[in-house]
Amino acid sequence: GNSVTQMEGPVTLSEEAFLTINCTYTATGYPSLFWYVQYPGEGLQLLLKATKADDKGSNKGFEATYRKETTSFHLEKGSVQVSDSAVYFCALESGGSYIPTFGRGTSLIVHP
Amino acid sequence: DVKVTQSSRYLVKRTGEKVFLECVQDMDHENMFWYRQDPGLGLRLIYFSYDVKMKEKGDIPEGYSVSREKKERFSLILESASTNQTSMYLCASGHQGGTSIDTQYFGPGTRLTVL
Repeated sequence: GNSVTQMEGPVTLSEEAFLTINCTYTATGYPSLFWYVQYPGEGLQLLLKATKADDKGSNKGFEATYRKETTSFHLEKGSVQVSDSAVYFCALESGGSYIPTFGRGTSLIVHP
Repeated sequence: DVKVTQSSRYLVKRTGEKVFLECVQDMDHENMFWYRQDPGLGLRLIYFSYDVKMKEKGDIPEGYSVSREKKERFSLILESASTNQTSMYLCASGHQGGTSIDTQYFGPGTRLTVL
């Protein structure tokens, strides 16, 4: 079956540091890959997505590249801000399943 | 803007009570989902629906039921609330494009406490 593995948190960084949150997956077929973000007290919202191998999704300075050879979709940002503090979820949807699979989430804390 | 609303942000109920959580979306999405979110466990799918009056069990359906009488509304029912159902409940909706789901849109969540 499908599965998503994310690095455990919390990840604690100083403002302007470089961010990487690792995500690897197991899936049948050719999945679409997503990163969602959950700010404190809110529901999840889509951050970025990629639908085929070598695609790069990007939004708000975050980016992730769909790597089929390593089955990975790592999230990166060059310079984090305090306002990026949130929980980040990696997810996949494999065509025909109708059900997305989420990772357990990684908490990011950014200090001034 | 897509909007998914949930009937309550915070709810406190007593053990044994029947609890209704309602979710409404305004984007004519076919698919709707109920998840619970617990620390260290991420999101776990309770039920989902891909059409009016249709429902499918997710990973943890025990102790829950759902109702979808109209396309825009998906209700989660706790028939007899128990303390282990204290959690954050998230509703989501999504468009069914071809054979796969597109982006999911989430409501703000209902934090339920069962005493």
